[in-house]
Parts: sequence; C-alpha cells; structure tokens
Amino acid sequence: LAKTTQPISMDSYEGQEVNITCSHNNIATNDYITWYQQFPSQGPRFIIQGYKTKVTNEVASLFIPADRKSSTLSLPRVSLSDTAVYYCLVAQNTGGFKTIFGAGTRLFVKA
Amino acid sequence: DVKVTQSSRYLVKRTGEKVFLECVQDMDHENMFWYRQDPGLGLRLIYFSYDVKMKEKGDIPEGYSVSREKKERFSLILESASTNQTSMYLCASSLLREGNEQFFGPGTRLTVL
Repeated sequence: LAKTTQPISMDSYEGQEVNITCSHNNIATNDYITWYQQFPSQGPRFIIQGYKTKVTNEVASLFIPADRKSSTLSLPRVSLSDTAVYYCLVAQNTGGFKTIFGAGTRLFVKA
Repeated sequence: DVKVTQSSRYLVKRTGEKVFLECVQDMDHENMFWYRQDPGLGLRLIYFSYDVKMKEKGDIPEGYSVSREKKERFSLILESASTNQTSMYLCASSLLREGNEQFFGPGTRLTVL
C-alpha cells in the first residue's frame, strides 16, 4: 500500500487559493488518489478523486503530474468554513478497501 | 443522499464491560468499515466487510470483533472494554468497485473509565 506524506498544517486567509500537496512515491499502477475533508466532530467527507492529469468538480481541483508520485489539491477562494483537516489517500478502485488515512493536513483559514 | 447512522454519539462505559456499537446504512452498499480516530494518528481501520457475514481485519483488530448479519448493519463489539479503547469510532460504507468514495457516519465518542 502506498503511503502518503502531507504537511501537518497550513494557514491561509479568506479569498485565497490554497494548494495542499501530497507525496506518494510508491503509488502503484492501479492506485487512485482520493481526498477527503473532515470538520470537527464529523466523519470525513469525500472531496475528489483522480488517476492522472487534472480533475475538477464544484468544490476543488486535483492536479496529478505524469509520474503520479505526488498530487495537489487546490481549493479556490477559501472561506472560514473551509477550515478542516484534509486527507490524501491512495488505493485501488475497490470501494475503499485497505485505504489508509494518514494524519492529514490541518488547514486554518483566517479572516 | 446516502445516510450512515451510528447508534450513539457519546457513550461512557466501565473497564471490562462488553460494548456494542451499531452502524446502519440505507444505500444498499456492499462495503462497510469501522475506524477509530485518535489525535495525531488519523483514522485507523479496525475491520471491514464486503458482504453479509464476511469480515476482514484491518490494521488494528486486536480487542475488537464485528458482526454483519444484514447488509445494511455492521456492528463493532468490544468484548471487554479497556481504557486504551477510549476513542472516536467512525463507521463508513461504500459501493464495491465504484471508486473509493466512502460515506461516513457522525461518529461515536466512546469513553472507557
């Protein structure tokens, strides 16, 4: 299973774009990259998933370079409500089997 | 919307008690998971199940067992609760082989005294 490395914490201001990078040097050919968001006292919530290049949805964008050894979650124009922990996971597309949640990145958005 | 519910938000038990945590999902998902979450350690997988009566150990199964008698229900059992099992317990479900999107319940904060 590929392990991931993310920054422990990040600070930002409202209205800024935030980029959180995740390293996964041992990613396997069949692995997908998935990001979750977790607010205090709640379970994690799926944000976005991708395999290569770029994926965008209404919440975020996910950039994956050709070698797939890292990925970047981009949150456009963050607000105070984006303060949360963000987790990067890599796993095969099997409904979440054996996915490993690391410690995540704690994003703090200031006014 | 997928809904995953857990039997309690907060639970306080004494050392040695048998504890049942129940999780129910309403979207006919094949996969169900139990995690525990502790400060600085992220989520750690205890057990998962991909079908009724099927179960697989996760990373930290010691001291826990599970039961899946019906597709929608996945129970976590602490046979003899200990203080080091004080934690937030999170249940999740997902479709088999449909990406890695897991749907999480609100969690149960268990305190073992």
